[in-house]
Amino acid sequence: DSGVTQTPKHLITATGQRVTLRCSPRSGDLSVYWYQQSLDQGLQFLIQYYNGEERAKGNILERFSAQQFPDLHSELNLSSLELGDSALYFCASSVGGDWSGYTFGSGTRLTVV
Amino acid sequence: GDSVTQMEGPVTLSEEAFLTINCTYTATGYPSLFWYVQYPGEGLQLLLKATKADDKGSNKGFEATYRKETTSFHLEKGSVQVSDSAVYFCALYSSASKIIFGSGTRLSIRP
Repeated sequence: DSGVTQTPKHLITATGQRVTLRCSPRSGDLSVYWYQQSLDQGLQFLIQYYNGEERAKGNILERFSAQQFPDLHSELNLSSLELGDSALYFCASSVGGDWSGYTFGSGTRLTVV
Repeated sequence: GDSVTQMEGPVTLSEEAFLTINCTYTATGYPSLFWYVQYPGEGLQLLLKATKADDKGSNKGFEATYRKETTSFHLEKGSVQVSDSAVYFCALYSSASKIIFGSGTRLSIRP
């Protein structure tokens, strides 16, 4: 157990729907990162939050949004889902400095049918 | 922009063989370098890291040396085990781009 908790582990939904993925960072970690892992795109950085504020944005679609709450847990919202959004979504956390490396959760596997 | 290139897999070895997985990078400045490992059905785990040139990261028998002159961070292990079967990701952190990952190398070890 890495200390980073992601729920749910699996999600199956239809095209056009909206889903919310949840992440609780490791105790004491202030930064949360979201990554998408797909077969053809590899690991893509989506977005980072630090202590409740957006810190960096990567290849995140406009249909996707995220937030980090005062208790530091984070949610990734995916809307108007398309078949191509099927992927593993990972959350990671760190104390603050990216240079030290991240701790990853076990991921949420999203299947859009 | 910053990028990481690692050898394509899959790599298949026999138990107790010597392992090398090549990784090179392109970055401005002096990025920190990482190797992550992903076992089936799990998230990525930090395997080792190096934060400056000539540093050697090591963990669980794996080693990698930060070579600035060749912009490389190759992963090595002297004697692999079946339990080392996983996907290995080389990654770098620079202040400009956060942590970015290579495409991953799948390693399979035959008993």
